[in-house]
Amino acid sequence: GQQLNQSPQSMFIQEGEDVSMNCTSSSIFNTWLWYKQDPGEGPVLLIALYKAGELTSNGRLTAQFGITRKDSFLNISASIPSDVGIYFCAGPNYGGATNKLIFGTGTLLAVQP
Amino acid sequence: DSGVTQTPKHLITATGQRVTLRCSPRSGDLSVYWYQQSLDQGLQFLIQYYNGEERAKGNILERFSAQQFPDLHSELNLSSLELGDSALYFCASSDQATNEKLFFGSGTQLSVL
Repeated sequence: GQQLNQSPQSMFIQEGEDVSMNCTSSSIFNTWLWYKQDPGEGPVLLIALYKAGELTSNGRLTAQFGITRKDSFLNISASIPSDVGIYFCAGPNYGGATNKLIFGTGTLLAVQP
Repeated sequence: DSGVTQTPKHLITATGQRVTLRCSPRSGDLSVYWYQQSLDQGLQFLIQYYNGEERAKGNILERFSAQQFPDLHSELNLSSLELGDSALYFCASSDQATNEKLFFGSGTQLSVL
């Protein structure tokens, strides 16, 4: 089945640093989503991408839909302690008239104040 | 606050037992999704209901079942529990049958001893 692999698996950075992470798939996706999961909470949608090459920002976060449609990237600028959490990419796996979101393996981000 | 309510927050039980997890979707959302999150498997889609009917099925074991009631709340039933069923179970909702923008609850942490 479809798999979404994220890298890096984890990142430990200093406050103020920029962060880059990516997500790759063995098959094409028509939509890419980025979610963040805070400790003890459910994932929250950060950014949705619908077109190959699309670049979308949400505050200090910028995500890109790869032109091959098999990858996506998330950048966080000037990181702050509340950026700590697990970042997941996700894509819908359409089977007939239904959809199910497939989530990536996650990137754990730790920010040192 | 996503608007999705899950109860209980924590559940500790023994092998062989049966438990029920409850989810109330956001007001107006017709779709409810159940996901299982574990360290080794990540976030795995279990099942989706739309307006009371099963819409999509993922990696849900036969020992697990779910339903969505007329008031749109949903319950996930886990029976003949095994140690490996220990995980975080999330409910998510969306306003359409095929919507990638899911809103997640805070989850139910299940511990099977």
